[in-house]
Amino acid sequence: EIVLTQSPGTLSLSPGERATLSCRASQSVKPSHLAWYQQKPGQAPRVVIYGAANRATGIPDRFSGSGSGTDFTLTITRLEPEDFAVYYCQQYSSSPPDYTFGQGTKLEIK
Amino acid sequence: EVQLVQSGAELTKPGESLRISCRGSGYKFADYWILWVRQRPGKGLEWMGVIYPGDSDVRYSPAFQGHVSISVDTSIATAYLQWSSLKASDTAIYYCARRFGSSSIWFDSWGQGTLVTVSS
Repeated sequence: EIVLTQSPGTLSLSPGERATLSCRASQSVKPSHLAWYQQKPGQAPRVVIYGAANRATGIPDRFSGSGSGTDFTLTITRLEPEDFAVYYCQQYSSSPPDYTFGQGTKLEIK
Repeated sequence: EVQLVQSGAELTKPGESLRISCRGSGYKFADYWILWVRQRPGKGLEWMGVIYPGDSDVRYSPAFQGHVSISVDTSIATAYLQWSSLKASDTAIYYCARRFGSSSIWFDSWGQGTLVTVSS
């Protein structure tokens, strides 16, 4: 089973700043099988990035994803108040089927 | 519009059985895998298992194998998550989500969550 380790656990920034969130896998992950989700309090998660670098429908262009192999990054430029939330990376591997999530990074207002 | 609507909150006792549901609409339910996810209070997301409604193929996370049962009724576009004997540690919010994509794979639509509270 692949383990995803996200860092930092908590990131304290101000609106307008840039956020860089990391997701490291214990084994190589296909970029096409790496996604990022945003979860706000009391809400279900929603996808922001799929295929490591593709913005989901309705996600503003200040969100971007990159990476390959075992290291992936979610970057949010010019933070807006609505961006403060918990972010999870998630991977899929097929043999055996595995849909592991990272433990999450809490992006909080400084 | 694609929607997943889950059943309401449950308050149960240890040892009791329970089944919660996830009804899909706005798309061909049989054609997309459905994922179940647990989120304990204040904790992260844990995948429990997935089911393909077209043929009821189920795959469980090793952490949940033998502890829960996932099923589907395609005639009413509904997936189920079931326990035969609940524990206090099963207290959590449970989400269902639709798997999208083939070359890329992600979960594009989520239910609103079902809060299950297990307490004596």
